[in-house]
Amino acid sequence: DVKVTQSSRYLVKRTGEKVFLECVQDMDHENMFWYRQDPGLGLRLIYFSYDVKMKEKGDIPEGYSVSREKKERFSLILESASTNQTSMYLCASSPSGHGGWTEAFFGQGTRLTVV
Amino acid sequence: AQSVSQHNHHVILSEAASLELGCNYSYGGTVNLFWYVQYPGQHLQLLLKYFSGDPLVKGIKGFEAEFIKSKFSFNLRKPSVQWSDTAEYFCAVEGHTGRRALTFGSGTRLQVQP
Repeated sequence: DVKVTQSSRYLVKRTGEKVFLECVQDMDHENMFWYRQDPGLGLRLIYFSYDVKMKEKGDIPEGYSVSREKKERFSLILESASTNQTSMYLCASSPSGHGGWTEAFFGQGTRLTVV
Repeated sequence: AQSVSQHNHHVILSEAASLELGCNYSYGGTVNLFWYVQYPGQHLQLLLKYFSGDPLVKGIKGFEAEFIKSKFSFNLRKPSVQWSDTAEYFCAVEGHTGRRALTFGSGTRLQVQP
């Protein structure tokens, strides 16, 4: 079974703090993704990565950065947390395949509250 | 840029009723299409996917979806829902060119009453 593990289920941080959300996958997948999930908005792509040390901006990258130093690990960084970043954050991974990739596997999510 | 519309935000059905959830996408090329489900307290998991071939695809737990290219639609169906189908359902699209990442719809919350 593919496993995508996010380091925390729940986090409470103060405005202005630097926040690290960690994600690890155990299936040697090339692609990794960070989404945020908000009621009525679905999942929105923040950043993604096709390989180690590379990153691409998604639809809502402002206020976030990412790091991928190892293939299995993809970190999301909130440089200075703000209350509008209170959300559920989902990490996903997928293999590369012919003509695209097969499916994305998701972690359990991290519910971040910024106070 | 690609986008996905799910018109039903909240659907309430009784057990054994039939289900159809709408999904329309906007993209000027070939796409891969997906339905994901999120049961209460659980992670997103794949229900079914369409890459090519037969436009009627069958997934897990009796779900199916039909890709209608002319309508840019990929509606999810189930003939008879169960209480255990209570969940949030997300339609997603990936274009064959450009970025290789899923674009999701806003989701449909399904509540099945016993």
